[in-house]
Amino acid sequence: GAVVSQHPSWVICKSGTSVKIECRSLDFQATTMFWYRQFPKQSLMLMATSNEGSKATYEQGVEKDKFLINHASLTLSTLTVTSAHPEDSSFYICSVQGPTSSGNTIYFGEGSWLTVV
Amino acid sequence: QKEVEQNSGPLSVPEGAIASLNCTYSDRVSQSFFWYRQYSGKSPELIMSIYSNGDKEDGRFTAQLNKASQYVSLLIRDSQPSDSATYLCAVKRGYQKVTFGTGTKLQVIP
Repeated sequence: GAVVSQHPSWVICKSGTSVKIECRSLDFQATTMFWYRQFPKQSLMLMATSNEGSKATYEQGVEKDKFLINHASLTLSTLTVTSAHPEDSSFYICSVQGPTSSGNTIYFGEGSWLTVV
Repeated sequence: QKEVEQNSGPLSVPEGAIASLNCTYSDRVSQSFFWYRQYSGKSPELIMSIYSNGDKEDGRFTAQLNKASQYVSLLIRDSQPSDSATYLCAVKRGYQKVTFGTGTKLQVIP
């Protein structure tokens, strides 16, 4: 069964609006979650590391004020794309780091397709 | 030098053949190694993990790890058209974040 649940699977929003994507760890508590973005036919790009109870760590070049990450509980992290623009249209994927017993395996959510019109 | 390198492909193999996917990494103290499969438009799914030198088999898949040479490979036996996807190699050291390669696109020709 799924280890990580991501919602919504796809969303269309108008330019200038904000959209929130949720990522839930179903099987274990996750102190660390990761957010990726992937443009068509390109590789995964790590955007940020979401840390439960503290600020997210953003990768170089990722605007933290535009991509707001909240990790308020051990099973939920959210990514909010603020003032979205067409160039933000992409596939957003969250992942969860499993426990030591799993070898700290990274499990991915189903991904969320964002289209900004 | 990239931290994790993979040939982007596409690697084309006929149905029923063995597909061999390779990955090299630069961090000598890496401890955990993963192979993911990603179908077009979908998120990656874990195929196998390997932590010690040697081979690890799971069904038609065999992961091979050689830490001295810093490479990890994935063999797919009896390749099927449904195996056509992009295969991502991932490497991790301790509690550091995982590093992904850019992936190898595999095409299995019926």
